[in-house]
Amino acid sequence: EIVLTQSPGTLSLSPGERATLSCRASQSVSSNSLAWYQKKPGQPPRLLIYGASTRATGVPARFSGSGSGTDFTLTISRLEPEDFAVYHCQQYITSPLTFGGGTEVEIK
Amino acid sequence: EVQLLESGGGLVQPGGSLRLSCAASGFTFSTYAMTWVRQSPGKGLEWVSAISGPGIHIYYRDSVKGRFSVSRDNSKNILYLQMNSLSADDTAIYYCAKNLMNGIAVYDWWGQGTLVTVSS
Repeated sequence: EIVLTQSPGTLSLSPGERATLSCRASQSVSSNSLAWYQKKPGQPPRLLIYGASTRATGVPARFSGSGSGTDFTLTISRLEPEDFAVYHCQQYITSPLTFGGGTEVEIK
Repeated sequence: EVQLLESGGGLVQPGGSLRLSCAASGFTFSTYAMTWVRQSPGKGLEWVSAISGPGIHIYYRDSVKGRFSVSRDNSKNILYLQMNSLSADDTAIYYCAKNLMNGIAVYDWWGQGTLVTVSS
């Protein structure tokens, strides 16, 4: 099973700041089969990024993904009030599909 | 617009059973693989099971194999998850999710979830 470790656990930032979230895999995630989701309390996850860097339909351009192999990054260029949430990465190349434990982006 | 509506959750005793349903609309249900993902209280997301569009290919995580059974009725646009021999570890919000496209297990639409609580 591929274990995804996200860091930091919590990121305290102000609106307008840049957020950089990390997802490290225990083994290589080939074909860049990595996705990012946003999760808010009481809501289902929302797909942001797949293929490591492809934005899903309707996702603002301030969200970007990068990385390959075992190290992936989600960047939010300028935080908007609605971006404060928990972010999870997911690998979909190897069964069982696995998610990272999440990074909470909280308002400083 | 795509809509996914789960039902069937509730409180069940250890060893009991529940059947979850997910009613889908707004897309051609039979052509998309569907997935169940759960989130335990205070924990992360966990993939549970998936089924291909025609229902031929089925997958489970090891911890639910032999206890859970996923199925679908493409004539009614409903996804099911039959859960037997439930334990406290199965307590979670269960989400059904639609695959973005076939061959890629990424989920672009999710239901609001249904809570399953296993407790005596």
